[in-house]
Amino acid sequence: QQQVKQSPQSLIVQKGGIPIINCAYENTAFDYFPWYQQFPGKGPALLIAIRPDVSEKKEGRFTISFNKSAKQFSLHIMDSQPGDSATYFCAARLYGKLTFGQGTILTVHP
Amino acid sequence: NAGVTQTPKFQVLKTGQSMTLQCAQDMNHEYMSWYRQDPGMGLRLIHYSVGAGITDQGEVPNGYNVSRSTTEDFPLRLLSAAPSQTSVYFCASSYTGGNTQYFGPGTRLTVL
Repeated sequence: QQQVKQSPQSLIVQKGGIPIINCAYENTAFDYFPWYQQFPGKGPALLIAIRPDVSEKKEGRFTISFNKSAKQFSLHIMDSQPGDSATYFCAARLYGKLTFGQGTILTVHP
Repeated sequence: NAGVTQTPKFQVLKTGQSMTLQCAQDMNHEYMSWYRQDPGMGLRLIHYSVGAGITDQGEVPNGYNVSRSTTEDFPLRLLSAAPSQTSVYFCASSYTGGNTQYFGPGTRLTVL
């Protein structure tokens, strides 16, 4: 059972654009929603995260928007750069265990 | 700190062979886990451990065994490799209740 659904599978934007990646979850008991960034040949690394009692969190150019009633959350990357090209995973945590979305391959063209 | 280390980086096996993927961490984390990453599937939890001597199954445990004799090490064993186990395997660790899981660099496994 896929409890976290992520879209789109891939995304191409120009430098300076604002890519948006969306995730939807089913289990309302999830207590923490992180986003991980993965570069080719590397392991994922925590990028930014949010708790369900907060509607938005910003860290630098990265923003999470969280809609508890719709059971959806999204990652926005402001002023995207070619160095942001990577695979992004959303996740949701329950009892310490993470369930990941399918991943989004982001390409930012110069 | 080396963080989370995994060996080997690459491995090719024949169907039916067995092997152990090694994972070690030097951050004194209680929680360790193994994931497999397949295209379009994200990362799926295979097994996890909340401390030495304690392990439990994740989402896709079949065909894999784990043990946790020390806080630092969490090896993953493939008893009889199958082509369906061709994947990239990641080990991760964190403090129990911690918000950040630290991932290793991965092992790319091909089963012929």
